[in-house]
Amino acid sequence: ETVMTQSPVTLSVSPGERVTLSCRASQSVSRDVVWYQQKPGQTPRLLIYGASTRAFGIPARFSASGSGTEFTLTISSLQSEDLTVYYCQQYNNWPWTFGQGTKVEIK
Amino acid sequence: EVQLVQSGAEVKKPGESLRISCQGSGFFFSSYWIGWVRQVPGKGLEWMGITFPRESNTKYSPAFEGRVTISVETTIDTLYLQWNSLKASDTAIYYCARRGLNYYGVDVWGQGTTVTVSS
Repeated sequence: ETVMTQSPVTLSVSPGERVTLSCRASQSVSRDVVWYQQKPGQTPRLLIYGASTRAFGIPARFSASGSGTEFTLTISSLQSEDLTVYYCQQYNNWPWTFGQGTKVEIK
Repeated sequence: EVQLVQSGAEVKKPGESLRISCQGSGFFFSSYWIGWVRQVPGKGLEWMGITFPRESNTKYSPAFEGRVTISVETTIDTLYLQWNSLKASDTAIYYCARRGLNYYGVDVWGQGTTVTVSS
């Protein structure tokens, strides 16, 4: 099973800041990574698929990159509605596995 | 409207059986991979299993294989998740999730079914 490790666990930021979240896979997963945003009491929302393609309706301030074992999600200018939890997930091999999440909170 | 609608919250005792459901509408249900994702309160997300109804092709995560059964009733576009003997550690929110047609992200989620197992 591929273990996905996200860092940091918690990120304290100020609105307007550039934010970078990291995700590392325990083995190569090519570019088979998606990113989700989950707000409290809500279902996850797909942000990115194929490591770098924004899903429909996702604002341009969200971008992502990576391949192999290292992946990043960047929020270019943090908005207040972005303060929540983000998960990466690989789908290169079954079982598909999520990272443990990064919580983005206000500084 | 494309949606997945899940059955309501359940409270069960250890050892009891349970089946929860997820009904699709607004899309051709049998042509999508649809599965179950578990979220223990305050914790992360785990894929339990996924199925392609049109081909009766089901994959289980090793962590859940033998503990749960995923089934489909295509005539009513409904996915099921079943336990024969619940444990307290099965307490969680269970989401059904549709994989995108041309990409691997989940583009449609059910609203979640909370299962509480307590004596």
